[in-house]
Amino acid sequence: QQQVKQSPQSLIVQKGGISIINCAYENTAFDYFPWYQQFPGKGPALLIAIRPDVSEKKEGRFTISFNKSAKQFSLHIMDSQPGDSATYFCAASAQGGSEKLVFGKGTKLTVNP
Amino acid sequence: DGGITQSPKYLFRKEGQNVTLSCEQNLNHDAMYWYRQDPGQGLRLIYYSQIVNDFQKGDIAEGYSVSREKKESFPLTVTSAQKNPTAFYLCASAAEVYGYTFGSGTRLTVV
Repeated sequence: QQQVKQSPQSLIVQKGGISIINCAYENTAFDYFPWYQQFPGKGPALLIAIRPDVSEKKEGRFTISFNKSAKQFSLHIMDSQPGDSATYFCAASAQGGSEKLVFGKGTKLTVNP
Repeated sequence: DGGITQSPKYLFRKEGQNVTLSCEQNLNHDAMYWYRQDPGQGLRLIYYSQIVNDFQKGDIAEGYSVSREKKESFPLTVTSAQKNPTAFYLCASAAEVYGYTFGSGTRLTVV
């Protein structure tokens, strides 16, 4: 019940295309859903986060879509660029942004020029 | 500059040796976390601390120990009881409004 399942494991997209990464969870107590971006040899950096009171949040080219009834959320990267090539992790926590996060296993995104 | 610093960046451990990874933050965050990252495994929680002088085991605490004597510092010791310690270790601090801030990690290798 504590798991967050992330797919796909890897994704290859052409420059300018849309990258879509999906996550699913079981624990209905989760109320904070962040996405992290990690470059090789670096720590993850917070990209965007959403709470269950909204169904969508957009920041620049990055959008989180959230479906509470299906217990799913996804990251969309519009106009994907080679600089977006990284590993992306979804995560979830109960009771807010400073509580312990459960992470998905990550998606390695490659954007070809 | 506010941030979180992990040291060393690379660490080599001999069989049977204990090693300590440093994690320092100047963000004034109460919560701090240690995660282990292995290829294809995502991030797995080792230990966490919500307040000074208190910490809790995560999902994979066996073979590790921590202390939280100061708000700014949360060192992780990898003991000889940890049989497969080769991994990338990530420390994070967290606040409600800002979420997690991760350090740059320590790559530990057994030699």
